[in-house]
Amino acid sequence: DAGVTQSPTHLIKTRGQQVTLRCSPKSGHDTVSWYQQALGQGPQFIFQYYEEEERQRGNFPDRFSGHQFPNYSSELNVNALLLGDSALYLCASSFRPYQETQYFGPGTRLLVL
Amino acid sequence: SQQGEEDPQALSIQEGENATMNCSYKTSINNLQWYRQNSGRGLVHLILIRSNEREKHSGRLRVTLDTSKKSSSLLITASRAADTASYFCADFSGSARQLTFGSGTQLTVLP
Repeated sequence: DAGVTQSPTHLIKTRGQQVTLRCSPKSGHDTVSWYQQALGQGPQFIFQYYEEEERQRGNFPDRFSGHQFPNYSSELNVNALLLGDSALYLCASSFRPYQETQYFGPGTRLLVL
Repeated sequence: SQQGEEDPQALSIQEGENATMNCSYKTSINNLQWYRQNSGRGLVHLILIRSNEREKHSGRLRVTLDTSKKSSSLLITASRAADTASYFCADFSGSARQLTFGSGTQLTVLP
């Protein structure tokens, strides 16, 4: 039973660039949530996708956008990268949205120079 | 914004000792969860305690919840070097319908 997978594992970008991160949910799950975890902090909720629509969003600017595909996989896009966007980006999946139990992937570490 | 605060921020103990971490939250919750994170990688779900429960056990883990004080604690008994990790609490409320994480406790278990 495949768990949540994320790609790439590490990424280095420069300020102003754009980045796309990818996530495949755990088998049987249809909802994907994205979290940003800055160094030394706990994860912060970015948004949640279900049925290819954004269902819920945290306190993040419009530079952060996402997409969900018919196979339930998801992308997180960040435009106009800032140094402060450097973080571990975690994807979590569940069956249906707003679930208390979510399964997390290993994360993508983004460094913005 | 992050809702929960955890203390201590860092804890260092000897193998075999018990480790206690505390978490506070600000609003009404449906449940509170504890996660472990090794070396800045993915989060592993440890235990969930519901708002109508006061104590829960899972193996060497014991979690308590005091809704009147809006606080929870995680006790790891007979710690092992493999328990070295960051531990986070996360609350789930009916209003937010998402996980809100605390700032975490870095636990180091020395062999």
